[in-house]
Amino acid sequence: GENVEQHPSTLSVQEGDSAVIKCTYSDSASNYFPWYKQELGKGPQLIIDIRSNVGEKKDQRIAVTLNKTAKHFSLHITETQPEDSAVYFCAVTDSWGKLQFGAGTQVVVTP
Amino acid sequence: DAGVIQSPRHEVTEMGQEVTLRCKPISGHNSLFWYRQTMMRGLELLIYFNNNVPIDDSGMPEDRFSAKMPNASFSTLKIQPSEPRDSAVYFCASSSGQSYTDTQYFGPGTRLTVL
Repeated sequence: GENVEQHPSTLSVQEGDSAVIKCTYSDSASNYFPWYKQELGKGPQLIIDIRSNVGEKKDQRIAVTLNKTAKHFSLHITETQPEDSAVYFCAVTDSWGKLQFGAGTQVVVTP
Repeated sequence: DAGVIQSPRHEVTEMGQEVTLRCKPISGHNSLFWYRQTMMRGLELLIYFNNNVPIDDSGMPEDRFSAKMPNASFSTLKIQPSEPRDSAVYFCASSSGQSYTDTQYFGPGTRLTVL
């Protein structure tokens, strides 16, 4: 089955700096790559997604890049703010089309 | 605009008891998903309904787990009998499409503790 690895597991950044989270996957047929943000006590919320026909997508301070050849994709958060502190999950569709989630990255933005 | 509603938010029960978790999807959405989140296994899909019909229940751990969707605005996940290893946060999500790649909107979750 699909194997999704997410790194790092924790990330501490100074407010205003950038944060980068990377995920690798194993199934070359995967074609949908969403990123979710989960705040304490809440459910995951989709923040950005990318499909396999696109290499990069940006939405204000967040961006996702996809390298299908290398089977990895990354989340980039620029000009981080305290409200960006949360757990971030990547996900990938497996051969059945179901989402397989990474283990998550705890991001802490310190003022 | 109400999001996905789950109840109860917290449930503490004793081993062997029946537990019923409830979900109201976003109005107009025709797909509903039940997920389980634990530290050890992360976020796992348990079951997926489309137009009230179970499409994929391969993630349901065992026969102790059952899910129903009697109508478009309500679903239940039942565990009978419950065991301590069932302790987790259970999320319900809904989407307006018919595939896993349509945006899924998650509810706030039910934190289940089985003693």
